[in-house]
Amino acid sequence: AQKVTQAQTEISVVEKEDVTLDCVYETRDTTYYLFWYKQPPSGELVFLIRRNSFDEQNEISGRYSWNFQKSTSSFNFTITASQVVDSAVYFCALVLYNQGGKLIFGQGTELSVKP
Amino acid sequence: SQTIHQWPATLVQPVGSPLSLECTVEGTSNPNLYWYRQAAGRGLQLLFYSVGIGQISSEVPQNLSASRPQDRQFILSSKKLLLSDSGFYLCAWSGYSRGGSPLHFGNGTRLTVT
Repeated sequence: AQKVTQAQTEISVVEKEDVTLDCVYETRDTTYYLFWYKQPPSGELVFLIRRNSFDEQNEISGRYSWNFQKSTSSFNFTITASQVVDSAVYFCALVLYNQGGKLIFGQGTELSVKP
Repeated sequence: SQTIHQWPATLVQPVGSPLSLECTVEGTSNPNLYWYRQAAGRGLQLLFYSVGIGQISSEVPQNLSASRPQDRQFILSSKKLLLSDSGFYLCAWSGYSRGGSPLHFGNGTRLTVT
């Protein structure tokens, strides 16, 4: 069975600190996709990034970066120089190649960035 | 560009009353459509998904049903609401039938059953 674990329920940082959100996944399939979504207080889920299981290259987008390591089944998300607008719940999700868009979500990490 | 509309934004309904939540997508054809529910504990649970008109798959047996009367319209319904149906309901669409295409979510409907 597939599973996504986000062990950090809540994280609180002060503005400009770097913060890493952890994501560990479980699957026996070799072809799958991993995602990160952001859920601000307004409630909608915003797509941030997708990674396929054959692409372990790390990715950087502005202050965001993602570290995908198949050896440890982890797909961690780092925000550099955090800002108050980064405050949100962040979800990691997994979908198998032949499962359409049936995302399996982690429980989410609530990030609070204080000024 | 593609947009997804979901309404109403909030809803308060008594136990035993019917429910109808609607979701429409613009700017794309033959999307995959999904209904997710987010309970108070934050976890997101897939309720239904559809790969075409009239094609609905249910992921969790429950008091709810879904229908897709048109290509870009997805409706979540209940004949009689239960207290446990309270939650945040999110509609989403994706472009491909296989995994890999990101889901794009609507703004959600916050349902409170009293």
